[in-house]
Amino acid sequence: ETGVTQTPRHLVMGMTNKKSLKCEQHLGHNAMYWYKQSAKKPLELMFVYSLEERVENNSVPSRFSPECPNSSHLFLHLHTLQPEDSALYLCASSQGILQGYGYTFGSGTRLTVV
Amino acid sequence: KQEVTQIPAALSVPEGENLVLNCSFTDSAIYNLQWFRQDPGKGLTSLLLIQSSQREQTSGRLNASLDKSSGRSTLYIAASQPGDSATYLCAVRVDRGSTLGRLYFGRGTQLTVWP
Repeated sequence: ETGVTQTPRHLVMGMTNKKSLKCEQHLGHNAMYWYKQSAKKPLELMFVYSLEERVENNSVPSRFSPECPNSSHLFLHLHTLQPEDSALYLCASSQGILQGYGYTFGSGTRLTVV
Repeated sequence: KQEVTQIPAALSVPEGENLVLNCSFTDSAIYNLQWFRQDPGKGLTSLLLIQSSQREQTSGRLNASLDKSSGRSTLYIAASQPGDSATYLCAVRVDRGSTLGRLYFGRGTQLTVWP
C-alpha cells in the first residue's frame, strides 16, 4: 500500500443510494485531491483541498459532495448518481498546492452505478 | 488551457528493447512534470518527478528528460521487461489562476512487453 489509502476498493450502488468514499493519507501532506478516471478519458480533477479548505471545485455536479474534516482525511459523499458516473475515483495528496511537490495517489475506488 | 498529448497511444515490443515514450504540453509555464505508471484497474504509481528547473531525472532503468521551452518530455525505459507492461501517464502541474495544484494528464501510452 502507498501512503494514501482509499476505501472501499470496489463499490456498486443504485441510483437512489447514498454512499461515501474515504481517503486517508499518512504522509503529513497539506493538500488533498479527488480525481475521476473514466474509460478512454484523461484523468479529470474534481476537487482540491488545502489545509482542510476547498480551493477548487472543478464544475462538478452537486450529487458529488466532498468533505475534508482534517488534513489527513478526505471523503466524497455520493447521492442520486447516474450510470455515467461509473468510473475509477482516485484520491491524491501533495505537500502543498503552491510548491513544486509531486503527487502521491491512492489505489482508487472502482464505482459502478446501476 | 493546458493540453497534454502522449505518443504513441500503444506500444508492443519484445523484452530487452530500449523504449521511448513521448509527452508534449501546450503551455510551458509549468511547475513540474511527473511520470506515473498505472496497472489495469489500479491507482497511479509515481515514477519520476522533474521540476521545471531540471533537465532530467533517473531512477534505475528509467530516465525522463524535460525540455520546458519546447513543451516536451521523454521517458526512456532501458532493457524492457514483461513486468514493465502497464499504462504510462504524463502529467504537468500548473500553478496559476484558478488551477492551483492541478495536474493535467495525457491519455497515456499503453505498453506491452512480451517475453
